[in-house]
This record gives sequence, C-alpha cells and structure tokens, in this order.
Amino acid sequence: DVVMTQSPLSLPVTLGQPASISCRSSQSLVYSDGDTYLNWFQQRPGQSPRRLIYKVSNRDSGVPDRFSGSGSGTDFTLEISRVEAEDVGVYYCMQGTHWPYTFGQGTKLEIK
Amino acid sequence: EVQLVESGGGLVQPGGSLRLSCAASGFTFSNFWMNWVRQAPGKGLEWLANIKQDGSEKHYVDSVKGRFTISRDNAKKSIYLQMNSLRVEDTAVYYCARSRGAGYWGQGSLVTVSS
Repeated sequence: DVVMTQSPLSLPVTLGQPASISCRSSQSLVYSDGDTYLNWFQQRPGQSPRRLIYKVSNRDSGVPDRFSGSGSGTDFTLEISRVEAEDVGVYYCMQGTHWPYTFGQGTKLEIK
Repeated sequence: EVQLVESGGGLVQPGGSLRLSCAASGFTFSNFWMNWVRQAPGKGLEWLANIKQDGSEKHYVDSVKGRFTISRDNAKKSIYLQMNSLRVEDTAVYYCARSRGAGYWGQGSLVTVSS
C-alpha cells in the first residue's frame, strides 16, 4: 500500500500567520491518465471531513482562497496564507491513484 | 444540494453482523463511484471500499476483505455496507463519500463492537 507521511503532526499557529503542511507518498501519485490524485481534507472538531483541494491544486467550491495546494510526484504541500480561527481542526492528505486509497496520519492545527 | 445520510449503526457483539445504508440526494447518483470510509475513535481516516457506477467493479482494503461487502441500488439512490464477523477493532464512525475523490461526505454512523 502507498504510505502517506504528513509533517508536522501538530501545528500551533498564531492568528493571521501562514501555515504549511507537507505530505509525502511512498510512490509516485501520477496516474496512467497523467493526472495526480492527491487531495486535502479538513476535519473540524465534531464534524465530517470536508475536501478542500483535489488533484494537487484545485480548490473545491466555497473553499477560501487562503488555502492552496502544490507539489508533484511524491511531494505535496497544503498552505494557508493567513490562519483564521475557523481553520482549527485536523488536515489529511489522501491519495486516490493506487488502490487501496490511503490517508496521511493527520495534522492537528491549533491557534497559539 | 448534495446530501448523504448514513444509517444502520449501533452496538453489536464481536462476531456479529450489521448492515449500513447511505441514502443520497441532490445529484445523479448513478453517475458516481461511491465509497465507505471509517474513523476509529480519536484516530485517522481509513478508506474501506468503493463501488463503480453500475456496481460492476468493487475494491476493498485488506483489513475488511472477505468480511465486508459493498453494494448499491441505483433505483433507491443508496449504497450499503454489509459487515460480517465484526471485531472490536471495527468500532468506528462509518462515512459514505461520493466519487473517487470523496468530494462529499455524510455525517457518519457510529458502529460499536463490544461484548
């Protein structure tokens, strides 16, 4: 199975400051169709996961533009340009290229 | 508005069975792959199974292969997860999610396996 490794696992951030989460895969996530199926999810306390980013860098509808995704191959990043209080929660990367699809361990973002 | 509503969770003894349902609305159900994902208490997310639009293709993670079965009824706009030979470690919130990219999720259904 493809192992997804996130860092850091805990991310204390001051309001208004930027934040960055790294996600590395044990194999290339480039699919045979040329696309890279790497998604990012946010899970606020007590809520279901919500997708923020799909195929590396595409923001879902309604997601604030302070969230951005980048990367290629095996190395990916989620960035938040200015953290707001509503961003508190756990962030997961997920690969949908190789079955079984797998998630990273999660990164817990908290306000300092 | 896309909605996914899971049901069927509850308390079951080890070795028992349970069938989860997920009712979809707000989109053309038969156009999408559908998935089951679970989250053990205080833990991360685990993708369990998915099923193609017409039910002709299914995939399972090794931890549930041979014990869980995913199915769908496009007329009823629903997917199901038949869970047999349940173990304590299957205790989790079970989510259904739309499409291979999991763009939409339900609110989850709690399954507790305990004697």
